[in-house]
Amino acid sequence: AQSVTQLDSQVPVFEEAPVELRCNYSSSVSVYLFWYVQYPNQGLQLLLKYLSGSTLVKGINGFEAEFNKSQTSFHLRKPSVHISDTAEYFCAVSRVPAGNNRKLIWGLGTSLAVNP
Amino acid sequence: GAVVSQHPSWVICKSGTSVKIECRSLDFQATTMFWYRQFPKQSLMLMATSNEGSKATYEQGVEKDKFLINHASLTLSTLTVTSAHPEDSSFYICSARLPGETQYFGPGTRLLVL
Repeated sequence: AQSVTQLDSQVPVFEEAPVELRCNYSSSVSVYLFWYVQYPNQGLQLLLKYLSGSTLVKGINGFEAEFNKSQTSFHLRKPSVHISDTAEYFCAVSRVPAGNNRKLIWGLGTSLAVNP
Repeated sequence: GAVVSQHPSWVICKSGTSVKIECRSLDFQATTMFWYRQFPKQSLMLMATSNEGSKATYEQGVEKDKFLINHASLTLSTLTVTSAHPEDSSFYICSARLPGETQYFGPGTRLLVL
């Protein structure tokens, strides 16, 4: 079975500072990895994903993440955050390969609060 | 592309009534849709996986007779909360998966049962 750990439940940061949101996973098989963002009272939006290839993945809104297989991590980074990045961030994995009903296994989320 | 809509976005109902929530993939066909429930300040809880033309697969602990799921077409799945009670109040989110691995999410439906 797979599991996802988001190591920080809350991350406060000042505007224009860099930020890293940490995600570790556990799995006995290969996985796909995802980061989603949820703004208040909204659904989830895909930030970026790793399926294969380059381990450094660039997403929307200036975010990037690096897949580290040896450390089973997929940390999300942004070099300079904006007030509008304040949101809940979720890391998720799904197993490779799998049947049609492939499920996402979710972390508990990290609340990013960007302060002026 | 890959837009998923939900309707309604907000619903308030009386205890004992049934509520239907629609999830539509607007610009793609989705053979698989997922229904989630989210409590305040918590992660998503998968309720069921919905495959077009077949019965939904429910997660352990989710009552299939209470949360009826129908996936009648490649662009529409519905979740009906039957005989709703206050404890069913929650934020319900659907997602649809393109061929491949990525799920795209709807904006969510907030249900309040009085």
